[in-house]
Amino acid sequence: GAVVSQHPSWVICKSGTSVKIECRSLDFQATTMFWYRQFPKQSLMLMATSNEGSKATYEQGVEKDKFLINHASLTLSTLTVTSAHPEDSSFYICSARSPGPQFFGPGTRLTVL
Amino acid sequence: DAKTTQPPSMDCAEGRAANLPCNHSTISGNEYVYWYRQIHSQGPQYIIHGLKNNETNEMASLIITEDRKSSTLILPHATLRDTAVYYCIVRGGGSEKLVFGKGMKLTVNP
Repeated sequence: GAVVSQHPSWVICKSGTSVKIECRSLDFQATTMFWYRQFPKQSLMLMATSNEGSKATYEQGVEKDKFLINHASLTLSTLTVTSAHPEDSSFYICSARSPGPQFFGPGTRLTVL
Repeated sequence: DAKTTQPPSMDCAEGRAANLPCNHSTISGNEYVYWYRQIHSQGPQYIIHGLKNNETNEMASLIITEDRKSSTLILPHATLRDTAVYYCIVRGGGSEKLVFGKGMKLTVNP
């Protein structure tokens, strides 16, 4: 299957700082990328959908000014958590697709102290 | 997108076939059935998908009933590494989103 990478795999930051997470499709061009969040013992929750070169579409209840998504190319999307707080601590997972199934990255564990 | 129903958990003996059921009684004609699995603390792994015909790949087989209201994912020879949460998801032809439910925890026992 297609390969999606994320960087970093884990990050610890202080409350109030911003954190950027990168998502790359390594062997295919992704027309659409997605960002999910997963809290312990819960399922994945879709945060936003982004298409290359256009603004992301956020799910209801997700603050677009807090979770900035940039989909600059067909192989790269970034999620920036601005002014992070402890309640933003979670497992963030991206996925990517060209026409066909979504392929997921390995996830990024964010801990905000 | 149509909702899916899966049992919360299932056990299987190593080496035996694991048959994972999924109900999707409200599925529409242009909606696909997708299966993913998530091993602890990793991103979900794509397994297989289908519309109405049965599908097989190197990982699994997907059997969809003729009325498309249910399906079964078959892992032909389960191994300990198949222990994971399995998600059955229905996605519409016009929608790009995958909406994850609670999934089903499969435990493969030695």
